[in-house]
Amino acid sequence: GAGVSQSPSNKVTEKGKDVELRCDPISGHTALYWYRQSLGQGLEFLIYFQGNSAPDKSGLPSDRFSAERTGGSVSTLTIQRTQQEDSAVYLCASSPPNSPLHFGNGTRLTVT
Amino acid sequence: AQSVTQLDSQVPVFEEAPVELRCNYSSSVSVYLFWYVQYPNQGLQLLLKYLSGSTLVKGINGFEAEFNKSQTSFHLRKPSVHISDTAEYFCAVRQGGSEKLVFGKGTKLTVNP
Repeated sequence: GAGVSQSPSNKVTEKGKDVELRCDPISGHTALYWYRQSLGQGLEFLIYFQGNSAPDKSGLPSDRFSAERTGGSVSTLTIQRTQQEDSAVYLCASSPPNSPLHFGNGTRLTVT
Repeated sequence: AQSVTQLDSQVPVFEEAPVELRCNYSSSVSVYLFWYVQYPNQGLQLLLKYLSGSTLVKGINGFEAEFNKSQTSFHLRKPSVHISDTAEYFCAVRQGGSEKLVFGKGTKLTVNP
């Protein structure tokens, strides 16, 4: 069956530009998560959604980062005025309640 | 806040040797514990999980882990590794009552011939 789909798979942008990263979760999965994976830093939690609401957005690094989820399905992570330190792999995951996460293959963001 | 410590960032071993990857978490009343594996240039996949019951859990590819509540540990083991086990391994903890999954920084396992 279809897994978690993320697009684009790679994104190169200039410093100061805005970027949007998209995540299509597995159909029926109520929870959706965003993580950031940087070299040597492991997986850094950013935000998670239960349905369309975000009970925990404590991991967003700054107010340049925002995320939304619509229709209990697709989610978009937006980074405004990108900085070089935003370069990383952004991972999306989804899950049914109280179940392990299923991860997408990520979006590799490079800010030049 | 919940935290996860993976004590070894890199573990090199020879093929067919045993391996243990260590994971400790900050104390909590109830926790759910997971190990995920990331093969080179691939996404993360679940290796095994502890939710309740027997403290020794078995996962895919011959891996197992033991939940030790008194030591707040969930170490991953395999009695004999293969070259194909070369990957990065992540320990993760979810605190009871929360949907947030907190990951350690990962351990890179390299299996040499």
